[in-house]
Amino acid sequence: AQSVTQLDSQVPVFEEAPVELRCNYSSSVSVYLFWYVQYPNQGLQLLLKYLSGSTLVKGINGFEAEFNKSQTSFHLRKPSVHISDTAEYFCAVKEAVGGGTSYGKLTFGQGTILTVHP
Amino acid sequence: EAGVAQSPRYKIIEKRQSVAFWCNPISGHATLYWYQQILGQGPKLLIQFQNNGVVDDSQLPKDRFSAERLKGVDSTLKIQPAKLEDSAVYLCASSLEPGPNSPLHFGNGTRLTVT
Repeated sequence: AQSVTQLDSQVPVFEEAPVELRCNYSSSVSVYLFWYVQYPNQGLQLLLKYLSGSTLVKGINGFEAEFNKSQTSFHLRKPSVHISDTAEYFCAVKEAVGGGTSYGKLTFGQGTILTVHP
Repeated sequence: EAGVAQSPRYKIIEKRQSVAFWCNPISGHATLYWYQQILGQGPKLLIQFQNNGVVDDSQLPKDRFSAERLKGVDSTLKIQPAKLEDSAVYLCASSLEPGPNSPLHFGNGTRLTVT
């Protein structure tokens, strides 16, 4: 079974500074990787995903992530954050097994709260 | 397009009482998920439906939790009887199909407090 570890539970940063949110996963098979964002009192929203191909993926709101198979990591980065990026970020993994109506379940990490200070 | 609708938004009950949550997915989405999100943790899948059939309920505590998706559209999740450890946000999500190319769309959740 797969697992996801987000290495920081909270990350405080000043506005316009760069940020990296770290994610490591464990799986015995190939995986698909995702980052979701949850703003206060809202549901989760997909930021970006890695399915195959280029290991550097770009998402919404200027975020990007790099898949590193040898280090089993999928860290999320943004070169310059805004106050509006304050939210909780979840890394998630889905095993690349099955097909049709049967795929691996989406497993989430415990989340990283990003707080951007003025 | 309208998003995933969930109700109620908040619910407070005493332990051993029963409670039900309702979810209306995005129109045309065949796959529906219920997740439990305990404070400080990531969402955990409770049950996944494909149309009105159950695909995965391996993490659903079946002695007290039940869910149905009649007619393959909206869904209800029930807890009977509730325990203190059931306090959490219950998230409903839907997707066009279960594969990785189809992103999950989440509702705003129902926050359950069991006292």
